[in-house]
This record gives sequence, C-alpha cells and structure tokens, in this order.
Amino acid sequence: DIVLTQSPDSLAVSLGERATINCKSSQTVLYSSNNKNFLAWYQQTPGQPPKLLIHWASTRQSGVPDRFSGSGSGTDFTLTISSLQAEDVAVYYCQQYYSTPYTFGQGTKLEIK
Amino acid sequence: QAQLVQSGAEVKKPGASVKVSCKASGYTFTSFPITWVRQAPGQGLEWMGWISAYNGNSNYPQKLQGRVTMTTDISTNTAYMELRSLRSDDTAVYYCARAPDLYDNSGHYRLAAFDVWGHGTMVTVSS
Repeated sequence: DIVLTQSPDSLAVSLGERATINCKSSQTVLYSSNNKNFLAWYQQTPGQPPKLLIHWASTRQSGVPDRFSGSGSGTDFTLTISSLQAEDVAVYYCQQYYSTPYTFGQGTKLEIK
Repeated sequence: QAQLVQSGAEVKKPGASVKVSCKASGYTFTSFPITWVRQAPGQGLEWMGWISAYNGNSNYPQKLQGRVTMTTDISTNTAYMELRSLRSDDTAVYYCARAPDLYDNSGHYRLAAFDVWGHGTMVTVSS
C-alpha cells in the first residue's frame, strides 16, 4: 500500500499569511504514460464531508479560490494557501488515487495564530 | 447540481450488519463510479472501495474483503454499502462520493479524485 505522510500535523498561521502543507508518498504517484500525478488535496471543516480542492496535484477544482495551489511531482507534494482567510481553518488531507487501496495522509490541522 | 444524499444514522450491536444508502441526483448516475470512505471519531479518512454504477464492477481493499458489499440500483439512482460482522472499531461516519473515471494512455481503467461527497452517515456499533 502507498503510505502518505503529511507534515506538519498541525499548523498555526496569521490571517493574510502563507500556509504550506507537505505530503510525501512512499512511492511515486506519477503515471509515466500520461505524465499525471494521481494526487488530490481535500479540505474538511468540522461536521462536514471532505471537499475536493486540488486534483492531478496542481489542478484547482472548479469554484476553489485561487489562493489555494498545489505543486510537486512523483513523491513530494505541497498545498499552499497564499493568504490565509478565517474560513480556511480546517483539516487538510492529501490522497493518492494511483493505485488501490486508495490512501489518505493523516491530515494537517490548520488554525489561526 | 450533482448531489448525494445519504440515509440516516444507525446504531447496531456487534456482529450485526448495516446497509447505508446514497441517492444521487443532478447528474447521470451511470456515468460515475461511487466510492465509499469512512472516518472514525476524531480520526482520518479510510477508503472502503468503489463500485461502477455502469456495470456493477467493484473493488474493495483487502482489509474489508468478505465483510463489505457495494451495490447500485439504477432504477432509483441509489448506491448501497453493506458492512457485516460489525465490530466496535467500525464505529464511524460513512461517506459516499462520486469518482470520475478515465482510461489512461495504456487503456487501463482508473478513477480520478472524488469530486462530490454525501453528507455522511454515522454508524455506531455498541452492545
């Protein structure tokens, strides 16, 4: 199984500042045939289901604010929130859909400093 | 607008079974597989498998094989997840989600990221 390890486990950032969350995969999720990284980022606020933010490692889902961006390839990925807003307080998960069983990172809790 | 509406909370005794439903609307049901993900209280997300609403093909993780069955009813645009031989550690919120699919350049069938989620169904297993 592919193991995804997120860092840090929790993060406190001031409003308007940048937040960066990392996700490291135990094996590549880059499929050479189509040069796509099978990695997504989700946001989960309390009592709500996860919400897809980023797929294919760097493609923003429709309707997601452009302060959210994803980068990386192969085994190392980053979710960046360029200017933190109060509504961004949540737990963020990375997920690989490269191979079954699909797996998620352990989550990163983002709070306001 | 695509939407998934799940059935209500359940309380079950150890050893029993539970069947959770997920009714789709706002899109062509047979065009997207449905996947299931669960989340134990205060914990992370665990993938439970997927089923094609088009042909009924399914895939479950080894950990749950033999205990989980996913089905669909295209007459009602509803997906179901049944989990048997319940244990206390099955206590969780169970989510269904829509998963776009694709064939890669080599002709292999794959799922993409889960783009529409149900609101979740709390299943409590307690004696």
